[in-house]
This record gives sequence, structure tokens and C-alpha cells, in this order.
Amino acid sequence: QVQVVQSGAEVKKPGASVKVSCKASGYSFTSYYIQWVRQAPGQGPEWMGVINPSSGRTVYAQKFQGRVTMTRDTSTTTVYMELSSLRSEDTAVYYCARSTVPDWDYWGQGTLVTVSS
Amino acid sequence: QTVMTQEPSLTVSPGETVTLTCASSTGAVTSGYYPNWFQQKSGQAPRALIYSTTNKHSWTPARFSGSLLGGKAALTLSGVQPEDEAEYYCLLYSGGAWVFGGGTKLTVL
Repeated sequence: QVQVVQSGAEVKKPGASVKVSCKASGYSFTSYYIQWVRQAPGQGPEWMGVINPSSGRTVYAQKFQGRVTMTRDTSTTTVYMELSSLRSEDTAVYYCARSTVPDWDYWGQGTLVTVSS
Repeated sequence: QTVMTQEPSLTVSPGETVTLTCASSTGAVTSGYYPNWFQQKSGQAPRALIYSTTNKHSWTPARFSGSLLGGKAALTLSGVQPEDEAEYYCLLYSGGAWVFGGGTKLTVL
């Protein structure tokens, strides 16, 4: 069965970086995009960007360009999202989700990233 | 920056029918926006309900349906159940980016 499993919660200081992983299983890893979304406390989801696991090509939301890097490891069917220069406003639950162009289906369980001094 | 607008909150009684909508600040929503709809309950990840305007996932209850209505994407719940109380988000593709709506909090009383 399709599974998308994320790494555990992180606590970081302002200015640091965080790297969240998203391990996919139960399907052809290179046949689906992986999207990244974050949700701040009490807010709606916000799209951060997407990676094509087949080519490694990425598209980032304008808001995160220069601060986010998405990569993949096809040998372990894992995608990574690294966000740098963290500030308190980056405190949120970060999700990965599998998608084709029109269809988002399976989501990870979410990873809480807390930025605090 | 495109903004997608949803009703902030709606209240319905069990068994009723309710329609949630999603409007784009750039104009009428079309199938080319690939509307997706998600349900999110407190403390849980979003769950996909509808993709590409009208298509249901294998797990989507039959009472949920998607459409285009008056230039907006729409999600209709026919015969609302108490377990449908949740936050609902639309997601549209516009200008090379995906944009979420602000969400509709659906209360079932």
C-alpha cells in the first residue's frame, strides 16, 4: 500500500536550518511528484514547492526561493526539504504529499518544526 | 499573488445539503485550475477528497461531489453526517503555482 512517512519533530534556534525527510513506499517512486506544504498554528496550508523525483527538477514558491532546497535520493525513495535562515514565523507543521499534475492524494503525517531561542 | 477565497464558516444540520465554494482573485475558475478539495480534522493531516474538479478518490464517500458553479470551484455534501464536521480547503493551480484557499470551517449541529 502507498505510504508517505515523514521524519520526527524538530526544535531549532533562529538562524539555523532544518531538513525534513519524506520516505515513499508502495508505488513507483519516480512516477509521482512530491509536494511540500506547511501549516502554521491556526492557519491554512501554504504551498512551498514541488520536486520531480525522476529528474530532480524543482519548482519553489516565490516566497521561499533562496531559502528552501528540495532533493531526492532514488536509492532510498526519500525526498528531503531543507529550509534555512529559520525565524519564529517558520514554526509550523510541514507536510509532504504525493501528486500527479492534477491530483494530490497521499499525505505524510506531518513534521512539527519549532523555531525558538 | 493569486488569492483563493472560501466561506470562512458554514453551519448545517445532519441530513442537509451544503455547498462550499472557492473563488479566484484572477477571475473565473476553470478546469484548467485542477481544483482539489481536502478535509482536515483537528490534529490530523489533510485528507484528499476531490481532484481535477469532479473526480473522487477511492476512499471519498459518495455524498461528496465536486463541480464548477458560477465561476467558482464547488464542493457539495449531500446528506451531511456528524463526522463531516471539519475544516475544508480548496487547492487550485494558477500561474505555475499551487494556491490553497483560506478554508471553510463546517459545523454540523
